[in-house]
Amino acid sequence: LAKTTQPISMDSYEGQEVNITCSHNNIATNDYITWYQQFPSQGPRFIIQGYKTKVTNEVASLFIPADRKSSTLSLPRVSLSDTAVYYCLVPGYSSASKIIFGSGTRLSIRP
Amino acid sequence: EPEVTQTPSHQVTQMGQEVILRCVPISNHLYFYWYRQILGQKVEFLVSFYNNEISEKSEIFDDQFSVERPDGSNFTLKIRSTKLEDSAMYFCASSISRDRDFENYGYTFGSGTRLTVV
Repeated sequence: LAKTTQPISMDSYEGQEVNITCSHNNIATNDYITWYQQFPSQGPRFIIQGYKTKVTNEVASLFIPADRKSSTLSLPRVSLSDTAVYYCLVPGYSSASKIIFGSGTRLSIRP
Repeated sequence: EPEVTQTPSHQVTQMGQEVILRCVPISNHLYFYWYRQILGQKVEFLVSFYNNEISEKSEIFDDQFSVERPDGSNFTLKIRSTKLEDSAMYFCASSISRDRDFENYGYTFGSGTRLTVV
């Protein structure tokens, strides 16, 4: 499993763009980068996955530079409901039977 | 959007009692998982299940735990003799594939069962 490092917490305000960066220096060639979101007292929710360059869906964008040693989750125009813990995961090809959650980034959005 | 359904949402049990947590995974998914989250801590992997057998389990998943897929739709976690430290949110998850090249590698998690052992 590639070890990931992301900020423990971030604060922002409604309407702002929020970027959460994750480093994964020992990512392997076959590894994808996956982000999950967890609201209080709910299960984690898959939000986006990418391999390289940029991926965008209705929730977020994921930017991955050419060396793939980091990735940035971008949340456009956040609202109070985006307050959650965001997990960056690089499951690892050899551990395909499970994903392991780190501590994640606790994002707090203020009015 | 398909969901993973977990019941009950909250269970209170006395120490030493057996509990069964139930999950209905998404119907075309093949891989099933249990995770738990003690209040304020990380989401921890317990066990993965495929083709009617355990594929991997963590150190937490000791002899007091067992899983079963009794009827092709339900997926259960049994805790035989509950301890105070088993109090946690228990999440069931399923995925269609664990193939690393599969476009949507995402797990779908249920809303969890809050287990309180008193």
